[in-house]
Amino acid sequence: NAGVTQTPKFQVLKTGQSMTLQCAQDMNHEYMSWYRQDPGMGLRLIHYSVGAGITDQGEVPNGYNVSRSTTEDFPLRLLSAAPSQTSVYFCASSYSEDRGLNTEAFFGQGTRLTVV
Amino acid sequence: KQEVTQIPAALSVPEGENLVLNCSFTDSAIYNLQWFRQDPGKGLTSLLLIQSSQREQTSGRLNASLDKSSGRSTLYIAASQPGDSATYLCAAFPHTGRRALTFGSGTRLQVQP
Repeated sequence: NAGVTQTPKFQVLKTGQSMTLQCAQDMNHEYMSWYRQDPGMGLRLIHYSVGAGITDQGEVPNGYNVSRSTTEDFPLRLLSAAPSQTSVYFCASSYSEDRGLNTEAFFGQGTRLTVV
Repeated sequence: KQEVTQIPAALSVPEGENLVLNCSFTDSAIYNLQWFRQDPGKGLTSLLLIQSSQREQTSGRLNASLDKSSGRSTLYIAASQPGDSATYLCAAFPHTGRRALTFGSGTRLQVQP
């Protein structure tokens, strides 16, 4: 099992450019989520999904879009990059508590994004 | 809205010491609480998961406890080693609402050889 895979690992964007951060998991997890980590602020939730076709906003959703067409993939789109979106982005996945399985969350290795 | 706080923000101890990292949360209606380790420039590694019905979990030199009524969890590290140096994060998963974790800001631990 590869677990949670994020691509790319590093990215530099110019202000106004758009891009998609990829996240894939091979554990058949229902729940997936995106966080950003800024110095001194911990991880903050951007968007999350409880299954294919179902997404919802987190704490800091502005400037980001998500979709979930399959169980495995949960891409994060930056529509028009701004310097304030410079951050490290993490994707996570876990089983739904309804499955009665271990609901431990697993994280990808992160994408370090710089917007200039 | 759930808020998770970790104190202290940073901690430096000599090798061999037993130490306790603290995590507090404002909403006791949690489904579980998870402790993570993060090395500089790396991702999050899960250490321990405590279900809301449990009081503690152990893995090797690590022991995590949970007291929902007081909104507190502690991570106990026995016989600390320089390799334990990292940032430790706690995160709460709610019973209802957003199906995602709420994180504390972490405790940065330095174990001196």
